[in-house]
Amino acid sequence: GENVEQHPSTLSVQEGDSAVIKCTYSDSASNYFPWYKQELGKRPQLIIDIRSNVGEKKDQRIAVTLNKTAKHFSLHITETQPEDSAVYFCAASGGSNYKLTFGKGTLLTVNP
Amino acid sequence: TAGITQAPTSQILAAGRSMTLRCTQDMRHNAMYWYRQDLGLGLRLIHYSNTAGTTGKGEVPDGYSVSRANTDDFPLTLASAVPSQTSVYFCASSLENGNEQFFGPGTRLTVL
Repeated sequence: GENVEQHPSTLSVQEGDSAVIKCTYSDSASNYFPWYKQELGKRPQLIIDIRSNVGEKKDQRIAVTLNKTAKHFSLHITETQPEDSAVYFCAASGGSNYKLTFGKGTLLTVNP
Repeated sequence: TAGITQAPTSQILAAGRSMTLRCTQDMRHNAMYWYRQDLGLGLRLIHYSNTAGTTGKGEVPDGYSVSRANTDDFPLTLASAVPSQTSVYFCASSLENGNEQFFGPGTRLTVL
């Protein structure tokens, strides 16, 4: 089955700096790669996703890039703000069953 | 529109007792999922249902059962709870398998 590795597990940045979280996946048939944000005590919520026919997608300060050859994808957050502090999860799905497999998460802390 | 709801919000359960976690969505989504979230392990899929009347096993199905009698409801049952089932349980739904998943608010379960 699919295996998703996510790095780093924790990331601390200063407000205004950029943050990058990286994920690798194992199943070359995967074709859907969402990113979820989970604030403390809350449910995970989708912030951006990308499909395998696209190399990059942006939404304001958030962007995701996908390298199908290397089987890795990354989340980029620019001009970070304290409200960006949360746990971020990457996931991958596709292939034979389309179920999502999640990475173990990255705790992002944005220091004012 | 309520979206996706879960009940109870939290529960303390004695080991050996049975428990059913409830999940209801009003978005007419075909696919539904149950995850457990444990610190450092991310979100792990327990069971899923691609459509009413069908269910499938996820990554960690042992000790859990599900049913999908209709589109809206997807209950998760622990027949005989054990302390290792202490976790936060999230239900999710998507229009179809492989699309954006929407998460419920979660149920915090403690098995003593």
